[in-house]
Amino acid sequence: NAGVTQTPKFRILKIGQSMTLQCAQDMNHNYMYWYRQDPGMGLKLIYYSVGAGITDKGEVPNGYNVSRSTTEDFPLRLELAAPSQTSVYFCASSYYSSGPGDSPLHFGNGTRLTVT
Amino acid sequence: RKEVEQDPGPFNVPEGATVAFNCTYSNSASQSFFWYRQDCRKEPKLLMSVYSSGNEDGRFTAQLNRASQYISLLIRDSKLSDSATYLCVVNSGTASKLTFGTGTRLQVTL
Repeated sequence: NAGVTQTPKFRILKIGQSMTLQCAQDMNHNYMYWYRQDPGMGLKLIYYSVGAGITDKGEVPNGYNVSRSTTEDFPLRLELAAPSQTSVYFCASSYYSSGPGDSPLHFGNGTRLTVT
Repeated sequence: RKEVEQDPGPFNVPEGATVAFNCTYSNSASQSFFWYRQDCRKEPKLLMSVYSSGNEDGRFTAQLNRASQYISLLIRDSKLSDSATYLCVVNSGTASKLTFGTGTRLQVTL
């Protein structure tokens, strides 16, 4: 049982390049999330999805896009990379049947992205 | 005032000590509360949920004080392996309202 799988683990981008961070979960979770964590800071929500075909912005969505075509996959797209997007990115998932209450988050291992 | 606030620490304690962290939250409508543990350069992992009546899991005890809007985590008989950052997470009822604190770093020494 893989849980939440993120790829790549590390990536260095030049300013203006684009890339997609992949996230897949095999737990049949309906909720999926993308967070970024800067050094010494808490996790900030970028985008989230409550089910296939449904996505919504979190606290820091600018510069990112997401899609959720299947329950399993929730890729995060950076179109024009900027140094401010240097961070560690975590994908997470959870299962909830009637609203996000006590379902804990399961995190992927993270992607360390550097934009230079 | 930040939505979720934690003392960043570090808390340096000897092995075997008891240590407690608090976390305050600003939204009185917050519905559920969690403690996560994050090791250096790793993903956060759920340590325990926090229930209204308080709950215990081995050496770990979590408490919720709704009147004063804080949650606490008590670790008894600290082990070297408890060294990590402890994140307070507060859910105010929607997917986008899961707010993480910046974490409290614990260092347990010999």
